[in-house]
Amino acid sequence: GAVVSQHPSRVICKSGTSVKIECRSLDFQATTMFWYRQFPKQSLMLMATSNEGSKATYEQGVEKDKFLINHASLTLSTLTVTSAHPEDSSFYICSAIDSATNEKLFFGSGTQLSVL
Amino acid sequence: LAKTTQPISMDSYEGQEVNITCSHNNIATNDYITWYQQFPSQGPRFIIQGYKTKVTNEVASLFIPADRKSSTLSLPRVSLSDTAVYYCLADTGGFKTIFGAGTRLFVKA
Repeated sequence: GAVVSQHPSRVICKSGTSVKIECRSLDFQATTMFWYRQFPKQSLMLMATSNEGSKATYEQGVEKDKFLINHASLTLSTLTVTSAHPEDSSFYICSAIDSATNEKLFFGSGTQLSVL
Repeated sequence: LAKTTQPISMDSYEGQEVNITCSHNNIATNDYITWYQQFPSQGPRFIIQGYKTKVTNEVASLFIPADRKSSTLSLPRVSLSDTAVYYCLADTGGFKTIFGAGTRLFVKA
């Protein structure tokens, strides 16, 4: 089946630094990818929709200058958490839709970000 | 807002059949119903998808009545490893997906 690779799986950083998370579709092309964050024992919250070759669409309340998204190719989207602070600590998950079928989402394994 | 409503949690015992019902009263004509499973600290995993009637695969069955306003995920003979959160989604592929709260299933020995 389709695979979405997300890296890193875990990152610990100091407050004020920036962290980049990669999301790759390994065996399919994805013109659209999504980024979510999830706090403990809560559901996934959609942050933004990443569109290949164009600007990302952010959900209400999500700071686009804080969470930079780049979708430069049909198989790669990146999320950069800029000037991270402890409140940005969360589980970040990406997903992608197979452009050929447009039927279902494939999810990455998630990235646990801990900001000290 | 999420388009689906599910029970917050369910308990079961090993070997039992578990049925999780999801309400999607405002489902659109083009929407599919998809169920995902999520373990702690992992991304959701696709379980099953359907549009109407019944769909079955190697892990689950999905029952969708004619009015499509609800659906039921059926897990036959659950084991301890099926303890997870199960999400029901009703949306059209290619568009943003909003997750509801999901159902936390606890399988006991």
